[in-house]
Amino acid sequence: QKEVEQNSGPLSVPEGAIASLNCTYSDRGSQSFFWYRQYSGKSPELIMSIYSNGDKEDGRFTAQLNKASQYVSLLIRDSQPSDSATYLCAVNPWGHTGGFKTIFGAGTRLFVKA
Amino acid sequence: KAGVTQTPRYLIKTRGQQVTLSCSPISGHRSVSWYQQTPGQGLQFLFEYFSETQRNKGNFPGRFSGRQFSNSRSEMNVSTLELGDSALYLCASSPETPEEPQHFGDGTRLSIL
Repeated sequence: QKEVEQNSGPLSVPEGAIASLNCTYSDRGSQSFFWYRQYSGKSPELIMSIYSNGDKEDGRFTAQLNKASQYVSLLIRDSQPSDSATYLCAVNPWGHTGGFKTIFGAGTRLFVKA
Repeated sequence: KAGVTQTPRYLIKTRGQQVTLSCSPISGHRSVSWYQQTPGQGLQFLFEYFSETQRNKGNFPGRFSGRQFSNSRSEMNVSTLELGDSALYLCASSPETPEEPQHFGDGTRLSIL
């Protein structure tokens, strides 16, 4: 069974701190990795996508991928109360020929305290 | 550019009935995927359609089916509804390849009485 695992949290950080969210996946051949943010009662919103080993930065967000360790992380710098949400790690096993069969982790609930 | 549009937003059905949900993808997106989200199971992949063909399928019973039209709009059908089918059903669209991330609609919340 292909799985994506996340710490369910809640993860609580003070405003202005760095929030670190982690995710591991079981299918070593996975190709595409995504982080989504989901507010309560809303649909998931794409935060970051990453496809190759290393870091990818976008504003206050940095995604890190280590395929050898089967590990994906998301760092949120200068955390704001508006960042309080559930963060979903998503892994698509296949590359450009296979289409989508995305597996989502259960999500990590983040609370940013003002 | 308009986002992914799902209709209806809310539905209430009774056990044994069937339901059809609709999804209009972002203009130009040809891949449409459907997901079920429940508090207990999280977000689970149902199926993906691309160019009117089911390209991938998750582990759901045959009561769950879908189709895609030539304009990339997609419908999902659930027959013989069960209480456990109560969930948020999400549609996500993407351009040609899985390297492009999926973007989600607001979902249809289905309640089974």
